[in-house]
Amino acid sequence: EVQLVESGGVVVQPGGSLRLSCAASGFTFDDYTMHWVRQAPGKGLEWVSLISWDGDSTYYADSVKGRFTISRDNSKNSLYLQMNSLRTEDTALYYCAKDIGSSGWLYYFDYWGQGTLVTVSS
Amino acid sequence: DIQMTQSPSSLSASVGDRVTITCRASQSISSYLNWYQQKPGKAPKLLIYAASSLQSGVPSRFSGSGSGTDFTLTISSLQPEDFATYFCQQSDSPPITFGQGTRLEIK
Repeated sequence: EVQLVESGGVVVQPGGSLRLSCAASGFTFDDYTMHWVRQAPGKGLEWVSLISWDGDSTYYADSVKGRFTISRDNSKNSLYLQMNSLRTEDTALYYCAKDIGSSGWLYYFDYWGQGTLVTVSS
Repeated sequence: DIQMTQSPSSLSASVGDRVTITCRASQSISSYLNWYQQKPGKAPKLLIYAASSLQSGVPSRFSGSGSGTDFTLTISSLQPEDFATYFCQQSDSPPITFGQGTRLEIK
């Protein structure tokens, strides 16, 4: 059974930093591109970032480019999101999501975690 | 960036009704269009991929159609468990973008 379990969400002040983690199981982690998608309270879905199966390629939404860094450790079946210079508008539930494509990317998601809540507030 | 616009934003319907939700892309995305269902407090669930392909395990009352810029999600006969929010998402190229969502409520 595929499982994605996010952690690391807390309350942080504007300008602060945070690292989110996503522990993956039930599939061959290093075969798949992984994504972070966020959802502000009561709002829609916003894609944040992706990282290729081998970690060589990354993409970011303009809203987080230069502030967030996605990474992965395939030896630990783990995905990360380093979030710096946090803003109040970064407040959201952050989901990790598995790309449906193997050894590539198809840019859509067949499995999602339950999310971890990041609140940026003074 | 490719903008995705869904309509309507909300919809009231009854069990047994046929419902259609529309999604429009700001430029052609061929068939790179996917639909998700999200229930309160839950993660989104993939329903339809590549505009018209039904994800494994999804009931056949869900169907998708369209190509280019205009797409539809149809639920042929609403069931109580279908009341949720639906999102379209383009997978043509990053940045990946979603529609704003359609909230389907019980009439």
